[in-house]
Amino acid sequence: AQKVTQAQTEISVVEKEDVTLDCVYETRDTTYYLFWYKQPPSGELVFLIRRNSFDEQNEISGRYSWNFQKSTSSFNFTITASQVVDSAVYFCALSEAGSGGSNYKLTFGKGTLLTVNP
Amino acid sequence: DGGITQSPKYLFRKEGQNVTLSCEQNLNHDAMYWYRQDPGQGLRLIYYSQIVNDFQKGDIAEGYSVSREKKESFPLTVTSAQKNPTAFYLCASSISSETDTQYFGPGTRLTVL
Repeated sequence: AQKVTQAQTEISVVEKEDVTLDCVYETRDTTYYLFWYKQPPSGELVFLIRRNSFDEQNEISGRYSWNFQKSTSSFNFTITASQVVDSAVYFCALSEAGSGGSNYKLTFGKGTLLTVNP
Repeated sequence: DGGITQSPKYLFRKEGQNVTLSCEQNLNHDAMYWYRQDPGQGLRLIYYSQIVNDFQKGDIAEGYSVSREKKESFPLTVTSAQKNPTAFYLCASSISSETDTQYFGPGTRLTVL
C-alpha cells in the first residue's frame, strides 16, 4: 500500500530564511508520480510540481526547488529566501501508475504548516 | 477563465438533513474527484468519476452519494447517514485518471449544527 509521511507538522521561520519541507514515501510500484501542493489560508490547493519516478533530476522554479532521491524514497521541497506569502500548509502526494484501476488515487501526507514571520 | 468552482463556500446543516455540494469545471477534464479534509489531516478520497455516467467509491464513501450526468458537473450529496459530516470538502479534476495532475476547486466548508 502506498503511504506518504511528512514528519514536520509545523515549521516557523523568519523571512529570508531558507526552509526545507521533508517528504518520505512508500510504494511497491516502479512507476509512480509525486506531487507537491500548497494550501494557503483560503483553502484551495494549488498545484506546485509533478515528478515521475524515472526522472530524478532536481528541479528549480524561482525560489522553489525539489530534491528527488529514490534511494531514500524522499521528495523534499526547499524554499529559498522565504517570504510571508509562503505561509501555508504544504502537502506531498503520491500516485501509483499500477494496474487494476488504481492509478487514479492520490495519497496525501498530513501536511506541513509553514509560518514565515516578518 | 478556466477553472473549478464549488458552491457554496460555507454551508450549515442541521442533523438529519441531506445536503448537496456543487462542483463545476470548464477545463474539459474527463475525471473528477471529491476529497474530505479534517483539521490537521491530509485529504481522503470520497468518490471519483473517470467519465460521464460512471463513478467509483473512494476510501470513505459511506454516507455520501454522487452523480455524473454531465462532464462539467460532479455534485456530492452528504446524507444523514454520514456520522461526522463537519469537514472541508474539496473537488478536483484531471484530464484523465491516468495519474494526471489533479487541479482543485476552492472548497466548501460544511458545518453540522
